[in-house]
Amino acid sequence: GAVVSQHPSWVICKSGTSVKIECRSLDFQATTMFWYRQFPKQSLMLMATSNEGSKATYEQGVEKDKFLINHASLTLSTLTVTSAHPEDSSFYICSAQEGAGAGDGYTFGSGTRLTVV
Amino acid sequence: GESVGLHLPTLSVQEGDNSIINCAYSNSASDYFIWYKQESGKGPQFIIDIRSNMDKRQGQRVTVLLNKTVKHLSLQIAATQPGDSAVYFCAEKGGSYIPTFGRGTSLIVHP
Repeated sequence: GAVVSQHPSWVICKSGTSVKIECRSLDFQATTMFWYRQFPKQSLMLMATSNEGSKATYEQGVEKDKFLINHASLTLSTLTVTSAHPEDSSFYICSAQEGAGAGDGYTFGSGTRLTVV
Repeated sequence: GESVGLHLPTLSVQEGDNSIINCAYSNSASDYFIWYKQESGKGPQFIIDIRSNMDKRQGQRVTVLLNKTVKHLSLQIAATQPGDSAVYFCAEKGGSYIPTFGRGTSLIVHP
């Protein structure tokens, strides 16, 4: 089955630094990749949608200058949290979709726990 | 029993019992529905899906029921095991290829 690899699984960084999270589709080409944020005991909040080679589409309220998304290839998308602050601490999850149809596979990465100290 | 609070609703069951997790969806035009299981500290995993032209689909120990009249989706887990303890999310897809996720239900299985 489709596998999405997300790295790192956890990271601790100092306030003011930037952190990059990678999302790779290992055995398929992902037309679209998605980035979610999840707070404890809450549902997934979609942050942005990215298509290979084009700018990401950010959800309302998500700062695009703070959460930089790059989708340089059909198998790799990165999320960079710039100038991280403690309030950015969260669980970040990516997902990848092979096609654009309703029934096309939608596979999640294993998530990244970001702690900003 | 099931309880709803400020955070995720919780369903507590005894090992071996059957579990039923419910989800109300919002878009009557949605034509594809998915259930995901998320264990603590991990990403969601696909469990089972169903298209809108069906009202029931069975997998291994799991059954999804779809009632389009009342826009309701349920996941039934037979003979619930401690390893089934997780948060379960339903998701719907309609005209947009982006799934919309429900609130989630925390399933706690007591040995």
